[in-house]
Amino acid sequence: AQSVTQLDSHVSVSEGTPVLLRCNYSSSYSPSLFWYVQHPNKGLQLLLKYTSAATLVKGINGFEAEFKKSETSFHLTKPSAHMSDAAEYFCVVSGNNQGGKLIFGQGTELSVKP
Amino acid sequence: DAGITQSPRHKVTETGTPVTLRCHQTENHRYMYWYRQDPGHGLRLIHYSYGVKDTDKGEVSDGYSVSRSKTEDFLLTLESATSSQTSVYFCAIAGRGDYNNEQFFGPGTRLTVL
Repeated sequence: AQSVTQLDSHVSVSEGTPVLLRCNYSSSYSPSLFWYVQHPNKGLQLLLKYTSAATLVKGINGFEAEFKKSETSFHLTKPSAHMSDAAEYFCVVSGNNQGGKLIFGQGTELSVKP
Repeated sequence: DAGITQSPRHKVTETGTPVTLRCHQTENHRYMYWYRQDPGHGLRLIHYSYGVKDTDKGEVSDGYSVSRSKTEDFLLTLESATSSQTSVYFCAIAGRGDYNNEQFFGPGTRLTVL
């Protein structure tokens, strides 16, 4: 079975400083992993995905994530936070299951201070 | 943006009444999903469909039923709404149903059951 744990429910950074959102996963198969972002009162938008190609994945808006199998982690980073990055972020795993079902983490709310 | 609409966008209803939420897509994608989003739980899968008239249960299916009579429409029904079903409901679509699945989300429906 697959599961995802986001290690922080809330992260606060200052504008222009780095962002780190942490995610650990558990999967009995080689997983696909995703990060989605949800801005207030909006739907979810895909930031990036890992599907067993390059372990360093680049996404939209300057975000990237690194797949580390030995640590079962898929942390999301950005070198310099912008006010528009304030949102909720979800780490998601998709295992070797029929129907393409996704398992979501609990979410991390990112606040960006001016 | 993927062509996904949800209706209604907001609904307030009373305990014991039936409620139907509609998801409509213009992408001709085979897979469609219903999730609910609650604080601290991320998104949890209610039901999904892998084709017309083909549906299956997700993680939190009790109290919900679904129907898909056309490729473009996926209906979620609460036969007798309860206060525990107060939530934000998201529809998602995908072109494939394997582990490499990338889902696109609708704008959500906020349901309040009094």
